[in-house]
Amino acid sequence: GAVVSQHPSRVICKSGTSVKIECRSLDFQATTMFWYRQFPKQSLMLMATSNEGSKATYEQGVEKDKFLINHASLTLSTLTVTSAHPEDSSFYICSAPSNNEQFFGPGTRLTVL
Amino acid sequence: AQSVTQLGSHVSVSEGALVLLRCNYSSSVPPYLFWYVQYPNQGLQLLLKYTSAATLVKGINGFEAEFKKSETSFHLTKPSAHMSDAAEYFCAVSEARYGQNFVFGPGTRLSVLP
Repeated sequence: GAVVSQHPSRVICKSGTSVKIECRSLDFQATTMFWYRQFPKQSLMLMATSNEGSKATYEQGVEKDKFLINHASLTLSTLTVTSAHPEDSSFYICSAPSNNEQFFGPGTRLTVL
Repeated sequence: AQSVTQLGSHVSVSEGALVLLRCNYSSSVPPYLFWYVQYPNQGLQLLLKYTSAATLVKGINGFEAEFKKSETSFHLTKPSAHMSDAAEYFCAVSEARYGQNFVFGPGTRLSVLP
């Protein structure tokens, strides 16, 4: 099946700094990618839909100015958590569709101190 | 609006025993239903999906699920549990056949006892 990678797999940052997370489709192109957030022992919640060549679509309650999404190419979407705070600590997962199936990245664990 | 409930946040079975993970959904349109498995600190792997064809769906690793419209259920089963089945399992519903805009259930952690 198709492969989606994320980088970094784990990041620790200080409160107030910004962190960029990359999501790449390794062997296919994706005009759309999805970003999810998963808090400990909870389910995944869709944050936003990343669209190549246009603005991202954010779910209700997700601050677009805090979670900046850029779909730079057909194989890369980035999520930047700006001015991160401890409550932003979470597991961030992206997905991309290929051949009628969603493929998920391995996730990025963000810890904000 | 769509929603998913999974009865039992934690299920324990003995190795070789039947696995039954429950999923009920709510959807205003004909749903597409999915089961995913997540191992620690990893992304999600698709086990199986229902896309309005056969109501009994067979997936990978010996898992299967049956869509029951009258019960709004899509329970996941496996006849004989293996230690490697221990993981978190998520049921998800989507209005789109290919799983865009998933609504995930809260998840069920499966433990397999020797």
